[in-house]
Amino acid sequence: QQQVKQSPQSLIVQKGGIPIINCAYENTAFDYFPWYQQFPGKGPALLIAIRPDVSEKKEGRFTISFNKSAKQFSLHIMDSQPGDSATYFCAASIQTGNQFYFGTGTSLTVIP
Amino acid sequence: DSGVTQTPKHLITATGQRVTLRCSPRSGDLSVYWYQQSLDQGLQFLIQYYNGEERAKGNILERFSAQQFPDLHSELNLSSLELGDSALYFCASGGGRLNTGELFFGEGSRLTVL
Repeated sequence: QQQVKQSPQSLIVQKGGIPIINCAYENTAFDYFPWYQQFPGKGPALLIAIRPDVSEKKEGRFTISFNKSAKQFSLHIMDSQPGDSATYFCAASIQTGNQFYFGTGTSLTVIP
Repeated sequence: DSGVTQTPKHLITATGQRVTLRCSPRSGDLSVYWYQQSLDQGLQFLIQYYNGEERAKGNILERFSAQQFPDLHSELNLSSLELGDSALYFCASGGGRLNTGELFFGEGSRLTVL
């Protein structure tokens, strides 16, 4: 059973566009929701993360929107650049157990 | 640099063989996680160790085994290899003293089974 469902599988946007990647979860015990960015041939790296006590978090051009009642969270990339082309994974975890559940990933391509 | 070291970076072997992948976690991290990533696939969780003890098990095949040693490095053993085992294997560490909740990934070991 997929603990975290991610969509879309792939996304193509023009430079300057705002790609949005969505994730949904079921387990209300999750208390940490990170997004990881992976470039080809590299390991995933933490991009931004949010805890359920806030509804939005911004770091530079990246924003997480969190809807606790709907059990959904999303990643928005403002003014997207070709260098943002990568695979993005959402995840959820229960911090005390340190178990992480990853979404299936979204391949983002930003066209110049 | 995440601080997580994985060796070897690339490995080519034949079906039926056995290989060992090695991971040195970030200094201070107590947890080690192993993930498998096949071509164009997501991250499949295999197993987690915390301070030498198995903490959680995911979709790990019986042909695969892992352990975490007293110095906290970990090894993933893959035996009776099949073509379908060709993948990138990632190690990640976390759960250090500060325990921010972040996972730090190594650069992966690319296994090719011919």
